[in-house]
Amino acid sequence: SQQGEEDPQALSIQEGENATMNCSYKTSINNLQWYRQNSGRGLVHLILIRSNEREKHSGRLRVTLDTSKKSSSLLITASRAADTASYFCATDIGDYKLSFGAGTTVTVRA
Amino acid sequence: NAGVTQTPKFQVLKTGQSMTLQCAQDMNHNSMYWYRQDPGMGLRLIYYSASEGTTDKGEVPNGYNVSRLNKREFSLRLESAAPSQTSVYFCASTIVRDRGMDEQFFGPGTRLTVL
Repeated sequence: SQQGEEDPQALSIQEGENATMNCSYKTSINNLQWYRQNSGRGLVHLILIRSNEREKHSGRLRVTLDTSKKSSSLLITASRAADTASYFCATDIGDYKLSFGAGTTVTVRA
Repeated sequence: NAGVTQTPKFQVLKTGQSMTLQCAQDMNHNSMYWYRQDPGMGLRLIYYSASEGTTDKGEVPNGYNVSRLNKREFSLRLESAAPSQTSVYFCASTIVRDRGMDEQFFGPGTRLTVL
């Protein structure tokens, strides 16, 4: 069963707008990771946030983590056409594996 | 650094045929993984190797076998391919530390069709 679940499943926004997607999980984690997948390609790592961290930034990306609610969010600011992709959260629960959610598909319209 | 490489990129098999997917990483990572991804879905773990010399089943291991040949290489074998194994296969690697797992690096994928 999947540990992480993203919401929404799909998101369509105008170029320049912000995109927010959420991830909920079920058990305690070491860290939570966000990945991007462009159509037909392998996954690319975006940000890793540890269980003792609440917020992390990387360029136009902002990730928050609320361990009390077992949830995380990924915000992409000032979106561009190149941000069109699927975004996945993945949780590390300390058993040498990552558990991936089903992903959020983001479409950025020009 | 080539990162994670996979061969082949594409493969078409007939039901019952066998094949081996190859994966290699040059980042000195201790852990390696095989996933499959079906349309509109996330990744499902087939097998993983936490360290050289060990392999373990993931979420969907049936119909597959793996070999951790050395620290660099981790192969996935389909002994008797079935149409249900039509999918995109990704190999990944990472370092697992006491504090948790680092980011995973993914190969470009192998697109397998079983007729």
